[in-house]
Amino acid sequence: AQKVTQAQTEISVVEKEDVTLDCVYETRDTTYYLFWYKQPPSGELVFLIRRNSFDEQNEISGRYSWNFQKSTSSFNFTITASQVVDSAVYFCALGRDDKIIFGKGTRLHILP
Amino acid sequence: NAGVTQTPKFQVLKTGQSMTLQCAQDMNHNSMYWYRQDPGMGLRLIYYSASEGTTDKGEVPNGYNVSRLNKREFSLRLESAAPSQTSVYFCASSAEVSRAVWPQHFGDGTRLSIL
Repeated sequence: AQKVTQAQTEISVVEKEDVTLDCVYETRDTTYYLFWYKQPPSGELVFLIRRNSFDEQNEISGRYSWNFQKSTSSFNFTITASQVVDSAVYFCALGRDDKIIFGKGTRLHILP
Repeated sequence: NAGVTQTPKFQVLKTGQSMTLQCAQDMNHNSMYWYRQDPGMGLRLIYYSASEGTTDKGEVPNGYNVSRLNKREFSLRLESAAPSQTSVYFCASSAEVSRAVWPQHFGDGTRLSIL
């Protein structure tokens, strides 16, 4: 069975601190995809990244970076020098061709 | 740049009433999806459509029907609303050309309450 665990329900950090959101997944598939989505307080959902299981290279996009480690079944998301606008709920998701499962999300508060 | 447009944004229904949630995208995307979001549950896929004329059940399809009217539009219908269907509904689309489920662009959501 597939499963996504975001153990951190809620995190608060002070602006400019770095913060890492954890995502651990379970799957028996050899081919799968991992995703991160952001849901700011306004409620819309924003796609951040998609990674396939054969690509373990870390990805950096501005202040965002993602660390994919197959050995530990983790796909962690780090925000460097956090800003108040980063306050949101962040969802990790696991997918294969016909299905995508979302974690329950981590609510991130960036305090000014 | 509209992206994915959902209507209505809010709706209150009585148990047993029916209604249709509308969704349209202007990005010429092949795939469209309907999700529901409940507190503490994350998002769950109701139905999806990999292309015009095709629809498939997702994780929680019971109590819902969908129609992929054309490439732009994908509607979700509640035939007989139940309180358990109180939720926030999101429509999404992606440029994915296979049957892979990969929601990229989301609408703003419809907050639906069933009394």
